[in-house]
Amino acid sequence: YELTQPPSVSVSPGQTARITCSGHALPKKYAYWYQQRKSGQAPVLVIYEDTKRPSGIPDRFSGSNSGSTATLTITGAQVEDEADYFCYSTDSTGNYRVFGGGTKLTVL
Amino acid sequence: QVQLQESGPGLVKPSGTLSLTCEVSGGSISSADWWSWVRQAPGKGLEWIGDIYFGGSTNYNPSFKSRMTMSVDRPRNQFSLKLVSVTAADTAVYFCARIKGVWEFDLWGRGTLVTVSS
Repeated sequence: YELTQPPSVSVSPGQTARITCSGHALPKKYAYWYQQRKSGQAPVLVIYEDTKRPSGIPDRFSGSNSGSTATLTITGAQVEDEADYFCYSTDSTGNYRVFGGGTKLTVL
Repeated sequence: QVQLQESGPGLVKPSGTLSLTCEVSGGSISSADWWSWVRQAPGKGLEWIGDIYFGGSTNYNPSFKSRMTMSVDRPRNQFSLKLVSVTAADTAVYFCARIKGVWEFDLWGRGTLVTVSS
């Protein structure tokens, strides 16, 4: 089972960035989004259960899940939002965890 | 607060065994149901390796199942990963993580780099 993300997304500061994640089990399974500022550093959860935002995450981060595609939206992206973003979910059985390939967000 | 710390050799020879331990501090390993290992090869994405239940049941990624073993040591408050027959493709930063509920990785260790090289 795979989750497919675009390799890169680029926006100017203040613009809206949208990062998609496609997988055939997503209509039945939650999507989560992790931010990783530098490869090899521990990821940080920015969206859980499709749409929920952990405490401490700015409200410019939001999530949605419709059909087979989950989307992370950063409304008014800031330079400090530059990072790799990984979606995560499980296969249709719920037994196996899967990460998307990651999307490098550039804000400049 | 609960913290996770990975430990183990940073260099493993090809065809050898990679052995890592994750120490849970600031809380009990029994406080969460599932504990997990995730790795990241240099410049690549995150890859789930497997989970262990605090009681000892396991759930492995089929890609690693034939050559991995996870175990838990409740008195020592730690869990471990063994991966045999390693190759250069197993060179990666290995993270241990806590699963909140059934799905969510809510706490991560800082990661430890393991290089497979002669």
